[in-house]
Amino acid sequence: GAGVSQSPSNKVTEKGKDVELRCDPISGHTALYWYRQSLGQGLEFLIYFQGNSAPDKSGLPSDRFSAERTGGSVSTLTIQRTQQEDSAVYLCASSLHSLGNTGELFFGEGSRLTVL
Amino acid sequence: KQEVTQIPAALSVPEGENLVLNCSFTDSAIYNLQWFRQDPGKGLTSLLLIQSSQREQTSGRLNASLDKSSGRSTLYIAASQPGDSATYLCAGVGNQFYFGTGTSLTVIP
Repeated sequence: GAGVSQSPSNKVTEKGKDVELRCDPISGHTALYWYRQSLGQGLEFLIYFQGNSAPDKSGLPSDRFSAERTGGSVSTLTIQRTQQEDSAVYLCASSLHSLGNTGELFFGEGSRLTVL
Repeated sequence: KQEVTQIPAALSVPEGENLVLNCSFTDSAIYNLQWFRQDPGKGLTSLLLIQSSQREQTSGRLNASLDKSSGRSTLYIAASQPGDSATYLCAGVGNQFYFGTGTSLTVIP
């Protein structure tokens, strides 16, 4: 697509429910990243994909968080048993090349998650 | 661990002023340096990318420079406009992207 697309743009859920956030990167971009941005805070790295594999999962906050990427394209970030502290904007980004040989990073508009 | 500092954290200037935003890294071993702007409630928009072989990049009224030896980058905005009001973030690329916490810029008409 023309840009990085994320859905849903807004999600309100009850504590304890599972949520899935989707990211569709720019066509042909091999690298995909998930970040979290809490209100008034900086970007927190969650996970990085190169193709379908995730060389770096170090940022996932707990085992309630998981992500996958299929076909080297769309990625899904899943949060199980959501907690109020999971409320944040989840940002996805993609770049043409892998880290270490990277090009420009492009972001989607984010998915705003509110856990009641 | 790489730490990225952006100074100032907030800046308010009258329209038409030239201004400089600063970004510094604790570990100067970065490949590329990218500047973004973020409008409230929005994602990040790429402004300029300085690749490892470059020292600066220009786009319109924006000029970004990178001094790898000192681990510092600056973003220069000429003739600021109210539409420039946003948060500006820098990101250095090492073994991941390292983001600063941003400079919140307000340009007063």
